[in-house]
Amino acid sequence: QVQLQESGPGLVKPSQTLSLICAVFGGSTSSGSHYWTWIRQPAGKGLEWIGRIYTTGSTNYNPSLKSRVTISVDTSKNQVSLRLTSVTAADSAMYYCARGYSSGEDWFDPWGQGTLVTVSS
Amino acid sequence: SYVLTQPPSVSVAPGSTARITCGGNNIGSRSVHWYQQKPGQAPVLVIYYDRDRRSGVPERFSGSNSANTATLTVSRVEAVDEADYYCQVWDIFGDHPVFGGGTRLTVL
Repeated sequence: QVQLQESGPGLVKPSQTLSLICAVFGGSTSSGSHYWTWIRQPAGKGLEWIGRIYTTGSTNYNPSLKSRVTISVDTSKNQVSLRLTSVTAADSAMYYCARGYSSGEDWFDPWGQGTLVTVSS
Repeated sequence: SYVLTQPPSVSVAPGSTARITCGGNNIGSRSVHWYQQKPGQAPVLVIYYDRDRRSGVPERFSGSNSANTATLTVSRVEAVDEADYYCQVWDIFGDHPVFGGGTRLTVL
């Protein structure tokens, strides 16, 4: 059974770069027809998709974040990373990683427990 | 871009049936997935492909999808069902997911 665990700094200063890690347990980041995705949720608000990376390394990003986002995978550590540059208070949110099932009608399962990021000086 | 509309809240008494709707233009032509998010927890998939229950999800949860409305039905509602519920489809044109705004189910 695949389990995901996000980790990160918790507090990031405005204009700096946010870096998060998603550790994958019970599954492989380098094989399979699925992909790995990041989704965030500001406090009290809904879900916003950030982007995804396939096991091939191919990526897609939310157009609204594309210029600031990089998702990568370290297959040797079985980890997926998220990098978000030039952060502002609007980037404060709970960040989740999840496995995506690619079918043209994609869905996400499972999700990690999330890691809270606050952007503040 | 495609928009999914959910009621902000639904309240029902224990033991009754809760119906949470997800509206979208011709949503019946798409596959809808539903997630449950309890307070302080991550979302969990409950229904995928309109009506398929994720392993371990009680049979009290069911889904349907037709025309412009998809519905998540929770029968014999229990206190543990109190949560936010999100619907989701895939926007094939933009190649990204679309989430509804979420519905808070309150068990009275």
